[in-house]
Amino acid sequence: DVKVTQSSRYLVKRTGEKVFLECVQDMDHENMFWYRQDPGLGLRLIYFSYDVKMKEKGDIPEGYSVSREKKERFSLILESASTNQTSMYLCASSSGTPELVGYTFGSGTRLTVV
Amino acid sequence: AQKITQTQPGMFVQEKEAVTLDCTYDTSDPSYGLFWYKQPSSGEMIFLIYQGSYDQQNATEGRYSLNFQKARKSANLVISASQLGDSAMYFCAMREGGTGNQFYFGTGTSLTVIP
Repeated sequence: DVKVTQSSRYLVKRTGEKVFLECVQDMDHENMFWYRQDPGLGLRLIYFSYDVKMKEKGDIPEGYSVSREKKERFSLILESASTNQTSMYLCASSSGTPELVGYTFGSGTRLTVV
Repeated sequence: AQKITQTQPGMFVQEKEAVTLDCTYDTSDPSYGLFWYKQPSSGEMIFLIYQGSYDQQNATEGRYSLNFQKARKSANLVISASQLGDSAMYFCAMREGGTGNQFYFGTGTSLTVIP
């Protein structure tokens, strides 16, 4: 069964810590995405990547960075965690073929910054 | 302008009844795809149904159907014979064909099925 795996379901970190959220997919997908989800705001795109070592800013990149050293792994980095980054983080991947196919999502990471 | 608009923050439906969740979209790209996802309290996003902009017929997947009205730019999800397990958040999303692979999501509708 194809999957997108996020390393943690729940995470609690302290303000100022550097936080790594890991995402791994086994579908050989070119595209990977990081979203955060907040009540009433839906899903907002933080960063995405079309290929290894490539990254593009989404709608809300401030306070975040990403790394894609291998095709299957896309990491989201909170350089210095703040309480307003408490949220649900969703990783997704998709094929780069022209067909308008959908995403496959990971199960999400609920991050709490205290 | 919002690419995807879901105007119903919360909806209630009686078990075994049908319910329609509204979604309107905004794009000038002639090629696009419309998607509905379900998110139960566990958090995982589950793909439900897809409609391509060139598809002539409305998409159906079991109890789910997508009421696609291209001229009105609407893509409403219809759930027939609601079940208690349908209680969840539902997100409408769009992917444009000509501008890359990014999805645009609505703010979601919380559906509660009442026994």
